[in-house]
Amino acid sequence: DAGITQSPRHKVTETGTPVTLRCHQTENHRYMYWYRQDPGHGLRLIHYSYGVKDTDKGEVSDGYSVSRSKTEDFLLTLESATSSQTSVYFCAISGFSGQGTTLNTEAFFGQGTRLTVV
Amino acid sequence: AQTVTQSQPEMSVQEAETVTLSCTYDTSENNYYLFWYKQPPSRQMILVIRQEAYKQQNATENRFSVNFQKAAKSFSLKISDSQLGDTAMYFCAFLDTGNQFYFGTGTSLTVIP
Repeated sequence: DAGITQSPRHKVTETGTPVTLRCHQTENHRYMYWYRQDPGHGLRLIHYSYGVKDTDKGEVSDGYSVSRSKTEDFLLTLESATSSQTSVYFCAISGFSGQGTTLNTEAFFGQGTRLTVV
Repeated sequence: AQTVTQSQPEMSVQEAETVTLSCTYDTSENNYYLFWYKQPPSRQMILVIRQEAYKQQNATENRFSVNFQKAAKSFSLKISDSQLGDTAMYFCAFLDTGNQFYFGTGTSLTVIP
């Protein structure tokens, strides 16, 4: 199994409080992603990183920020949590190195974090 | 941006039978990768099978195979000899040249004993 862990696994927080989710990898993969999973929506990209300090927005980035100060860590922060951010959050990593190769094309996922905002 | 569509929210199949899950996608790219992921109740995302768009031959992995129709932008998953452990949510995914993964909304498959 790919070395990717998320913390915490479960969290309940109050509306308006800041929350940080951590993703840690031991694979030295370049790409890291944060997704949220909601019924009927599948997995939607929040933010992703293509290197240390290199990040970009996904399709549902409003209300979220990220940071990647080291290759192995990718943090997702909800600056002021809202009930609409109640979801299951997945971190994924990919070491895809370019066209013409199947090496590391797949995304490896963490175990997910169930976040409830009350 | 690419889009991935799974038009079957739920499906069921009798144990030992065969079932096909549908997936279509929209892209203007020529080189890309397609995947099927399985998510059992444990919530863990597990790669089932992958397909490179530049390969015409359909990928197979034991009881799992795909029907990749590039011109039609279709990528269906066939599960043969269905087992109870196949009960899960299945996601179709697309990897583009920008290293972005796009996922469908999923198909919940139930294998009936």
